[in-house]
Amino acid sequence: EDQVTQSPEALRLQEGESSSLNCSYTVSGLRGLFWYRQDPGKGPEFLFTLYSAGEEKEKERLKATLTKKESFLHITAPKPEDSATYLCAVQGATSGSARQLTFGSGTQLTVLP
Amino acid sequence: DAGVTQSPTHLIKTRGQQVTLRCSPKSGHDTVSWYQQALGQGPQFIFQYYEEEERQRGNFPDRFSGHQFPNYSSELNVNALLLGDSALYLCASSLVWSSGLRTDTQYFGPGTRLTVL
Repeated sequence: EDQVTQSPEALRLQEGESSSLNCSYTVSGLRGLFWYRQDPGKGPEFLFTLYSAGEEKEKERLKATLTKKESFLHITAPKPEDSATYLCAVQGATSGSARQLTFGSGTQLTVLP
Repeated sequence: DAGVTQSPTHLIKTRGQQVTLRCSPKSGHDTVSWYQQALGQGPQFIFQYYEEEERQRGNFPDRFSGHQFPNYSSELNVNALLLGDSALYLCASSLVWSSGLRTDTQYFGPGTRLTVL
């Protein structure tokens, strides 16, 4: 069974204070690892897909990295508008989980001005 | 380019009633997945539809059923509602094949907030 654990559960940063969010996963053959941003009461917004260990992707102040056991979402010089819940999900390569996403519980990020 | 749309936005039902939620996928997408998200939790997979058939199902009872139409839109039906069914229901669309490559990135709609009293 695929499992995803995100840490910390909540993170408060001052504007400009860089940090990282962690996503640890266990999966029988990784098909893809996905990062989403979710604002309160809204649907998740797609950020990145990572497919293999060593892969990195960047978008504005966000950078996602992937190893064989975990992924990190690095936030550089965050702004208050980066405040949201960040969700990590995996898609396994075995036939039973080939299409579903298994999510972690998310990290609630608050960036103070 | 229209993204994933869902209706209604909010819904209030009582225990034992039945509900139907609707989803239109992102333009060009052919696969629809449904998720349930309880407050403070990550989304949980309910099922996925492709070519008008249920292709995969998560750990949800048969009270949860769905349908996909020829235009790729989809419905989620929940019978005999329980208090525990109160949640945000999310629809996600994806495209199985794009330019000869398999791609599995799922794009989510805004969700339907279901409250069961």
